[in-house]
Parts: sequence; structure tokens; C-alpha cells
Amino acid sequence: DAKTTQPNSMESNEEEPVHLPCNHSTISGTDYIHWYRQLPSQGPEYVIHGLTSNVNNRMASLAIAEDRKSSTLILHRATLRDAAVYYCILRDGSGGGADGLTFGKGTHLIIQP
Amino acid sequence: DGGITQSPKYLFRKEGQNVTLSCEQNLNHDAMYWYRQDPGQGLRLIYYSQIVNDFQKGDIAEGYSVSREKKESFPLTVTSAQKNPTAFYLCASSRIVGRFGETQYFGPGTRLLVL
Repeated sequence: DAKTTQPNSMESNEEEPVHLPCNHSTISGTDYIHWYRQLPSQGPEYVIHGLTSNVNNRMASLAIAEDRKSSTLILHRATLRDAAVYYCILRDGSGGGADGLTFGKGTHLIIQP
Repeated sequence: DGGITQSPKYLFRKEGQNVTLSCEQNLNHDAMYWYRQDPGQGLRLIYYSQIVNDFQKGDIAEGYSVSREKKESFPLTVTSAQKNPTAFYLCASSRIVGRFGETQYFGPGTRLLVL
């Protein structure tokens, strides 16, 4: 899987929007962009994924740059429960099958009340 | 409710002892995975299985063994050959959906400590 780069940590205030960036300059045409988050002492949970177009779901929005070399996870109104480590992961959608996810260190999001 | 269960939540291992971590899913997923997480680090893949009675090594399989005798179960054994087993172990499952990157669903994890 291609490599992603994320800031080590970010801080935001409660009830404000949060924009979490991810750079993936070596992304291939068949790579999907996935985001997972991990709350303290829990397993990761899926947040959102996309290929080319921006995506929205009940948890977040994913904005993908036109050249696909970067993307941004948007939490529209952060709450204290959004404090977690957020992982940006590329997955090759061409080969099929299941060979595990490659996790980096992610971004530690801190929410101030 | 459908999901993944892992047991126990905490496990203590003595030197030279093998221990087995349980992972069960009722999501009817074909693929199952085991990851290891060390403090402050991301997850690393130990083993994965796409079908019953078949499994493949991940990036850090040495000192670990698995079995997949049933679709819903994928136990992980940490053997005495694993010299640094203290970590947070996470099990996951997913559908195999061919052309599309599949979503993985994770269990709550087992924290293994060496006495």
C-alpha cells in the first residue's frame, strides 16, 4: 500500500469544525482513501472512505484533492467524544481479496472543552 | 447485535508459556485478521485469513500461530518463541468485495502482559 503522511497531533475546541489533513503523493489510480479512528483503549473504527469524489456520512466528510495527492477528513462539529487517533490509509481496490491494513502513527486529535 | 468479541480483556503470561487469545465474529465475514499494537504506535498485521482452513502470515508473524477451523472463529496463540509479547492485540473481520477496498470491523482488543 502507498504511504500516507499525517501530522502527529492537532488540537481543536469543542463544537468547532476540525480538518484533519493527509498527504498521499504516491497514490495510484486504484487506491481508495480510508479513514479509521481509535478511541483510547479501544479497537479502531471505520469512519469514511472514498476514491475520487468528496464523500459525506453521518460521522464525517472526506474532501479529496483534484489530483488525489491529498485529502482532508472533516468533522463538522467536534465533541469531546471525537478525541481519538485518526488514521488515513490507502487501500488498493484493484486486486480484491483481503490482506490487512497498513497503519501509520496517525493524528492524535485533542478536543478542548 | 452483530459484532466481534475478543476474550479475555486482559491476559497475563508467564515466561515460557503459550497463551491463546479468542476472537469470534457473527457478521458472516469471510476474512479475519490479527493485529498487534505497541504503545504510541499504529497497528501491525500478524496473520490474516480469507477462508476457512487457510491463513497467511502478515508483517510480524514470528512467534505467533493461528487456526481457522470455523468461519466465525480465528484464535491467536502467542508462543514462547515470541520474546516481547506485551502489547494490545486486535482482531478484525471484513467482507471480501473484489474490486472495492473492504471496511474492517475491529473487536475491543486483548491486552497481554508478561509476568
